[in-house]
Amino acid sequence: DAGITQSPRHKVTETGTPVTLRCHQTENHRYMYWYRQDPGHGLRLIHYSYGVKDTDKGEVSDGYSVSRSKTEDFLLTLESATSSQTSVYFCAISSGTSTDTQYFGPGTRLTVL
Amino acid sequence: AQSVTQLDSQVPVFEEAPVELRCNYSSSVSVYLFWYVQYPNQGLQLLLKYLSGSTLVKGINGFEAEFNKSQTSFHLRKPSVHISDTAEYFCAVSKAGNTGKLIFGQGTTLQVKP
Repeated sequence: DAGITQSPRHKVTETGTPVTLRCHQTENHRYMYWYRQDPGHGLRLIHYSYGVKDTDKGEVSDGYSVSRSKTEDFLLTLESATSSQTSVYFCAISSGTSTDTQYFGPGTRLTVL
Repeated sequence: AQSVTQLDSQVPVFEEAPVELRCNYSSSVSVYLFWYVQYPNQGLQLLLKYLSGSTLVKGINGFEAEFNKSQTSFHLRKPSVHISDTAEYFCAVSKAGNTGKLIFGQGTTLQVKP
């Protein structure tokens, strides 16, 4: 397995509170991605990073921000969580070319009450 | 823009029977095609991918997929399934030069019954 960990693995929070999810890799891959998985929608890209301090938006970025201060860590922040952000969040890594395999973390299940 | 449609949300099948999971994509440019599998309570892992060349691609665990450009399809097949193949399967596309971003289909749950 690629060395990707996500923390926490489960979280329950209340509407309006800030939440930060962490993705950590030991593979030194340049690209890191955050996806959310919802029934009937598959996985949708939230944000991605192509290097330290270099990030860009995906298709469902509203309400989310990201930061990458080190190659190995990619943080996803919900500034003020809403119930619509209840989901399973996956981090993935790759070397960044379109032919490359993405390697996925185990996921974080977030429930916003 | 690219899009991916998986035509079946659930596919029930008996053990040792053949199975086909269908995937259609739309794109105005060349794309690369992937199938990922997600076992219960796990992340996704790559089954196989089509980049170029032979349209029949073989992957792990006895799965294969055929790229059909004229029908814009990339269906996944296995001649004989096992209970352990019970999982969710995702078809995905990426566009050349697009930083590896993937567009996923909605997923198909394969339920293998004894």
